[in-house]
Amino acid sequence: AQRVTQPEKLLSVFKGAPVELKCNYSYSGSPELFWYVQYSRQRLQLLLRHISRESIKGFTADLNKGETSFHLKKPFAQEEDSAMYYCALQKTSYDKVIFGPGTSLSVIP
Amino acid sequence: DAGVTQSPTHLIKTRGQQVTLRCSPKSGHDTVSWYQQALGQGPQFIFQYYEEEERQRGNFPDRFSGHQFPNYSSELNVNALLLGDSALYLCASSLNSRGLPDEQYFGPGTRLTVT
Repeated sequence: AQRVTQPEKLLSVFKGAPVELKCNYSYSGSPELFWYVQYSRQRLQLLLRHISRESIKGFTADLNKGETSFHLKKPFAQEEDSAMYYCALQKTSYDKVIFGPGTSLSVIP
Repeated sequence: DAGVTQSPTHLIKTRGQQVTLRCSPKSGHDTVSWYQQALGQGPQFIFQYYEEEERQRGNFPDRFSGHQFPNYSSELNVNALLLGDSALYLCASSLNSRGLPDEQYFGPGTRLTVT
């Protein structure tokens, strides 16, 4: 069965420091991968998806098929990046989305 | 466009009761997915509705059922409530399209407490 793991429940970094949120998945095929973010008192929203290969709010994520990872990175963390981040996997465009347990990122001023 | 809306915001029920949660998708969207999010966990997929039929289902018992109406709005019904059903229930809508994976737009959720 497909599974998404995020090893860090909590991650604290100082403003201006690099940040990396880890995501590993288990699936033998080529899945669609996403990062969703939930800011305080806001609804869950898509941050970025692998297939678009875009950078959103300075965040990027690279798919490493060999390590089955999709880590989220940003070179310089900002206070407004503090939020809950969820990695998610979808086998195909029509399949269910499987979420990881989430990582709470706190950026210290 | 208010985006995805859900009602009610909060709900308290007793064990054994039944509950109905409602969701209106974002304008232009035709697919609705429901998720259960327990405290401290990521959302767990319950099922997805498209063209008024259940298209996909997660590992949830038959006590969880749903419906989609011709206007694409949807209901989630849970029968014989258990304490473990206490969670935030999220609705997400998307547009069924070929090619790119569907971007899901989430509602604010309904907080269900079972006592």
